Amino acid sequence: GAGVSQSPSNKVTEKGKDVELRCDPISGHTALYWYRQSLGQGLEFLIYFQGNSAPDKSGLPSDRFSAERTGGSVSTLTIQRTQQEDSAVYLCASSLMRGNTGELFFGEGSRLTVL
Amino acid sequence: QKEVEQNSGPLSVPEGAIASLNCTYSDRVSQSFFWYRQYSGKSPELIMSIYSNGDKEDGRFTAQLNKASQYVSLLIRDSQPSDSATYLCALRNSGNTPLVFGKGTRLSVIA
Repeated sequence: GAGVSQSPSNKVTEKGKDVELRCDPISGHTALYWYRQSLGQGLEFLIYFQGNSAPDKSGLPSDRFSAERTGGSVSTLTIQRTQQEDSAVYLCASSLMRGNTGELFFGEGSRLTVL
Repeated sequence: QKEVEQNSGPLSVPEGAIASLNCTYSDRVSQSFFWYRQYSGKSPELIMSIYSNGDKEDGRFTAQLNKASQYVSLLIRDSQPSDSATYLCALRNSGNTPLVFGKGTRLSVIA
């Protein structure tokens, strides 16, 4: 597609429920990232996929968080047993890696509110 | 020490002035540096990237990198009210690592 597409744009859920957030990167981009941004805060790295390599999961805050990327394209971020502190905007980004110069292009984000 | 540090601001400048945004980083092996602009309620968008010491100019924007002193800055000439946003500094240590972001500096350009 023309840009990074994320869905849903807004999600309100009850504490304890599971949620899935979807990201469709720019066609041909080999790298895909998930970040989280809480109100008034910077971007917190969650997970990074690069081609067929094992994902870098070092930023996932707990084992309630997981992500997969199917066929090297679409990615799903799953949060199990959501907590109120999970409320944030979840941003997906993709890049076409060329050495260390790959520039990130962000989607519009999925705003998650946990009641 | 945090990996990427920015003054949170707000930085207020009058319209037409030069806005200077600064960022320091702790890891000497950092190789790639980026400035993103984020309007309130929107996602970040790339403004500039810089990879070698010195200045890089693009229109009203100039990025400056000094690896010896571990800082990178962004100058905005002839600031406009539409430049009012949060500016995020980001860096990458190597080709296969994720971007690390600072918390951003909020810029307000006063008409």
